[in-house]
Amino acid sequence: DGGITQSPKYLFRKEGQNVTLSCEQNLNHDAMYWYRQDPGQGLRLIYYSQIVNDFQKGDIAEGYSVSREKKESFPLTVTSAQKNPTAFYLCASKGPEAGYTFGSGTRLTVV
Amino acid sequence: QKEVEQDPGPLSVPEGAIVSLNCTYSNSAFQYFMWYRQYSRKGPELLMYTYSSGNKEDGRFTAQVDKSSKYISLFIRDSQPSDSATYLCGGSNSGYALNFGKGTSLLVTP
Repeated sequence: DGGITQSPKYLFRKEGQNVTLSCEQNLNHDAMYWYRQDPGQGLRLIYYSQIVNDFQKGDIAEGYSVSREKKESFPLTVTSAQKNPTAFYLCASKGPEAGYTFGSGTRLTVV
Repeated sequence: QKEVEQDPGPLSVPEGAIVSLNCTYSNSAFQYFMWYRQYSRKGPELLMYTYSSGNKEDGRFTAQVDKSSKYISLFIRDSQPSDSATYLCGGSNSGYALNFGKGTSLLVTP
């Protein structure tokens, strides 16, 4: 079945550490997105990519970085510059006609 | 001001009731509108996808978009306890990322 796979499901980060969240899709979608979800805040856009080797900052890109070397993959790195990284991170992709398809999320906690 | 505004609730209704969920948006360039259902600690799942104004029905769910008033609605008929979740509305224009409301928490009690 086609879909989006996010890993790991749970991730713990120490202070000053960079961590990378994986997002892989087999839907052949060109566009991919990273959102952050905090309680009471809804979903906020971090980065998005509409095509391989190109990506744009979203509303809250500071402290995050991405790459899009392959159509199927859009990893998100949470750097030590992100001062409040504890959140639920959601990856999504979109094809030309349908709505957005989301992964099951990664819950990141600072320890 | 967020581009999509949504009352966070919580909204509590008895089983079998008709539920009305609403959003307003400010960006007149939005052409695509979506409703997602999200269970606790899960990724959102697409419920309804509409283009421009009008109604769309799928089983117990009906989505309405009124572009003249920038108003988005989702109606759930014969609500069930399994409908208890957070409902997210969103809008976008072609080629841009989806803008979400904060979500409305719905509880359907048996």
